[in-house]
Order: sequence, then C-alpha cells, then structure tokens
Amino acid sequence: QLQLQESGPGLVKPSETLSLTCSVSGGSVTSSAYYWGWFRQPPGIGLEWIGSMYYRGRTFSNPSLRSRVTLSVDASRNQVSLRLTSVTAADTAVFYCARGPRTDVFDYWGQGTLVTVSS
Amino acid sequence: QSVLTQPPSASGTPGQRVTISCSGGSSNIGSSTVSWYQHLPGTAPKLLIYSNTQRPSGVPDRFSGSKSGTSASLAISGLQSEDEADYYCTAWDDSLNGVLFGGGTKLTVL
Repeated sequence: QLQLQESGPGLVKPSETLSLTCSVSGGSVTSSAYYWGWFRQPPGIGLEWIGSMYYRGRTFSNPSLRSRVTLSVDASRNQVSLRLTSVTAADTAVFYCARGPRTDVFDYWGQGTLVTVSS
Repeated sequence: QSVLTQPPSASGTPGQRVTISCSGGSSNIGSSTVSWYQHLPGTAPKLLIYSNTQRPSGVPDRFSGSKSGTSASLAISGLQSEDEADYYCTAWDDSLNGVLFGGGTKLTVL
C-alpha cells in the first residue's frame, strides 16, 4: 500500500525559503507511470494546486507561484521535494503531497503538514 | 477568486440526494475532464471522481459525476452523516497550463 508522509519545519521566517519533503513508501518515485503533486490549504481557505511533476519529466506549476517554486525528486531517498522561496505570511498553510496517474488527478495523498510563516 | 465556481455550502438530510455544481469555462471544464475530491480539513483529501464520471475503486456508487459543456456536477445519493465534508472540483486549464480548484462546497448533513 502506497504511503506518503510530508515533513519539514513547522515554522519559517518571512523572506526565507520553505523546504518540504514527501517520503514515499510502498512505491517508487522513479516510476514514469505516475505524477507527483504538491498542494496547500491556507487557514480558512480552500485547496490550492502548487505543482505537478514526474521523474525526469516536465514540471508544471501554478502561475501565481511559478517564480518561487521548485519541485524535485530524490531517487536515492525515494522522496519528492518542494522549495518555496521568499515566503510571506500568506504562504502559511497545510501542505500536502500526492501521487496520481495524470498531472491533474491524484489518488494517493499524505496527511499534510502545517507550515507557519512568522518572525 | 477561483475560476471554477462552486456554491459555498450545501445541505441535506440522511437518505436524501444532493448535488454540487461546478461552473467553469472553455479553457478548463470545456476542454478537459473534471475530478472531485472529498476533504475533511487536517486529513488527506480523497479522490471521488475522475474523468468526469469515473469512480476509483473503493468509492461507493452513491457518488456520481457528470459534465455538460463548461459545467460539472457531483451527486451524492443516500446521504449519510459521514458524507459531511468539503467537496472540491478540479480541472486542467489550458490557458494557465495548470490545475484549477473550485472554491469548495461545505456539505452539512442535517
């Protein structure tokens, strides 16, 4: 059974870089059959797509975040990663990673991790 | 403001059938397929419907999806208390080259 677990610092200072990892068990991040996605939900607001990618393939990202977002895959650790630069309080959210058969469909999700941006 | 428009809330009594709408445009719903997710905040979102009408294995057939033109709908029949959650529609947008989420609909089971 595929399992995804997000991890990272719960608190990030404004203007710094937020880095999250998604550890994958029960499946390989190098499979070309699947896409990996990142999502977030700010407090009191709905879900938002951050970006999608597949191993050694094209990366797609939300135009509103594109200049600040980097998605990557670490095959040696079987992890996918998200970097978001120059964060502000508006980036405070629960962040989720997910896997799916298409860049816009995701059937396995992690439980999410809360990241607060504050000094 | 989301480009995919959903009603902010919906409600029904146990056993009833409720429908949640999702309205978009020609660059998203009109030219792509729609997915629906069920979400309880703080938990993992769950894929209910993909490719407009398809249910992943394990999703009860009480949940059904449809699409017509630039709009889509999620129907839940035989409403149960455990269906109380937030529901989101999503679709690929060709103009943005990305995934759009609707604003979400909070379903209350009375």
